[in-house]
Amino acid sequence: DQQVKQNSPSLSVQEGRISILNCDYTNSMFDYFLWYKKYPAEGPTFLISISSIKDKNEDGRFTVFLNKSAKHLSLHIVPSQPGDSAVYFCAASGGNTGKLIFGQGTTLQVKP
Amino acid sequence: GAVVSQHPSRVICKSGTSVKIECRSLDFQATTMFWYRQFPKKSLMLMATSNEGSKATYEQGVEKDKFLINHASLTLSTLTVTSAHPEDSSFYICSASRQGLYEQYFGPGTRLTVT
Repeated sequence: DQQVKQNSPSLSVQEGRISILNCDYTNSMFDYFLWYKKYPAEGPTFLISISSIKDKNEDGRFTVFLNKSAKHLSLHIVPSQPGDSAVYFCAASGGNTGKLIFGQGTTLQVKP
Repeated sequence: GAVVSQHPSRVICKSGTSVKIECRSLDFQATTMFWYRQFPKKSLMLMATSNEGSKATYEQGVEKDKFLINHASLTLSTLTVTSAHPEDSSFYICSASRQGLYEQYFGPGTRLTVT
């Protein structure tokens, strides 16, 4: 049972345009959501997070939107840069366990 | 801040031997450390959660006698793969979090190959 889903395995965007990565979840107990970026053979790097009491969090070029009623979150990257090319994982946590449940990841390619 | 290191970065061992992987939080005290495994082109699979000074909590399907986890201090956790077999070959990643915070900071990972 995949509690966190990233239905798009890959996304290709032109440099300078907006990248939108999507994530859906099923467990209504999740109350904190995170996005990580990962390069091959490296550990994930924390990007941005959002609490369930908010619907938007912005940090520079990265903005995360949360729609609780739809159990959906998205990561917007604008403007996209070639260095943003990587695998992006969304993750969810809840219930005070501290555990993160990861989606399958979306491979973003930003073309120059 | 929030730097996590792992050692070794890659290791090759023979079937039947044991391998120890270290995870260290370099600039913060990690009350909780997590161990993940990633298969090629797959998501990260949580193997176990360890809190300093207590026994690790293993996820369903993870053999605790095969994957020994020790979290002896607030900056060090170790994962020992005992009697390794080729199917244990994988990318193992640890993460650490501060008390009360959700964010986990990941190490660079360890590529284990069992021949």
